[in-house]
Amino acid sequence: ETGVTQSPTHLIKTRGQQVTLRCSSQSGHNTVSWYQQALGQGPQFIFQYYREEENGRGNFPPRFSGLQFPNYSSELNVNALELDDSALYLCASSPWEMDEQYFGPGTRLTVT
Amino acid sequence: QKEVEQNSGPLSVPEGAIASLNCTYSDRGSQSFFWYRQYSGKSPELIMFIYSNGDKEDGRFTAQLNKASQYVSLLIRDSQPSDSATYLCAGELNNNDMRFGAGTRLTVKP
Repeated sequence: ETGVTQSPTHLIKTRGQQVTLRCSSQSGHNTVSWYQQALGQGPQFIFQYYREEENGRGNFPPRFSGLQFPNYSSELNVNALELDDSALYLCASSPWEMDEQYFGPGTRLTVT
Repeated sequence: QKEVEQNSGPLSVPEGAIASLNCTYSDRGSQSFFWYRQYSGKSPELIMFIYSNGDKEDGRFTAQLNKASQYVSLLIRDSQPSDSATYLCAGELNNNDMRFGAGTRLTVKP
């Protein structure tokens, strides 16, 4: 167990809808990163938040957005869901920017 | 070209053997490298990280980094059936972007 928690565990949404995923970082960690993992692939970096500011972003469109709160927990929001957004969404926390990251259990999103 | 590449496997080794997992990267600016283990249906678990050229050992695991050749490897000594999993190599690009390979599936046969 890493101490990183995510909710919900599973989620089913319809194309065009919006979704919010949540993550609580490990105690003492001020950096949270979000990843999308499609089946059979490695995680793809969506973005990172450090001290409530976006601190890096991968090749994802603006309909993927996020927030980090003063307690370092974080949200990932996805608007206008597409079928290809179906994946495992992983949150990882680290004590400092791109230091070693510890993953939460993930949220499995299915878009129908 | 993918930033981080791994042989997808599957790699099969007998119990007690050394498993060798390899990874190459294309961004010479990458500073830090990480090895994660991922069991089926679970999230990645950090095994080791390495920042400097050379070897880094932790128990049965040894990570090797060669920045001149842009090559990272993970050796698992005395492989156990419980080591059977997908192993993910990741490298940090300069813009706080972490890139993962697609993973190598390892099977350790009793």
